[in-house]
Amino acid sequence: QVQLQESGPGLVKPSETLSLTCTVSGGSFSDYYWTWIRQTPGKGLEYIGYIHYSGSTNYNPSFEPRVTISIDTSKKQFSLKMSSLTAADTAVYYCARVDYFDKNGNPGGDWFFELWGRGTLVTVSS
Amino acid sequence: ETVMTQSPATLSVSPGERVTLSCRASQSVTTTLAWYQQKPGQPPRLLIYDASTRATGIPARFSASGSGTEFSLTISSLQSEDFAVYYCQHYNNWPLTFGGGTKVEI
Repeated sequence: QVQLQESGPGLVKPSETLSLTCTVSGGSFSDYYWTWIRQTPGKGLEYIGYIHYSGSTNYNPSFEPRVTISIDTSKKQFSLKMSSLTAADTAVYYCARVDYFDKNGNPGGDWFFELWGRGTLVTVSS
Repeated sequence: ETVMTQSPATLSVSPGERVTLSCRASQSVTTTLAWYQQKPGQPPRLLIYDASTRATGIPARFSASGSGTEFSLTISSLQSEDFAVYYCQHYNNWPLTFGGGTKVEI
């Protein structure tokens, strides 16, 4: 059974950079888009961005240019770095998976999220 | 950016009742619309995709419809485990966006 597990610091200071990692256990790593989503009390669920096995990325303009998503295929991990943190970045951060092929078998995926990690709470505070 | 608006924010219902939740998009998203259920301390759970297709393992009491800008999720007979927050999400274009949620409470 495929599982996603987020890891990283629970507390980060304002203006610092957050680094989170999502570890994928079980299943293929190459046939998916690997995504970060967060949930804040104020703005609810927000799509942050994705990375594919090939290294291609897509970011929500709301988070560019302070976000970078990277991938380590040897470890079956992908990571999120978010800089210039403020209290508004306090959130539960989730990683999630999207199939590489859409329902018609074309690359590009169907962008709904069937598999999620459990989430990790990140608090931005001094 | 396509803004997703859900209504009502909170719905107070009794077990066994039929409920309908609404989701409106600020521009057409055709049928690229998903619904999720979220319980406290858990990630969202996919219920519906492509506006009306139930995800694997989702009970038949959950149904959904709509296209363009107006969508709805219906739970035909609320069970105790259905009390949760429900979100819609479009995937018609970038960035993907979610609605603010409807809380279904007892």
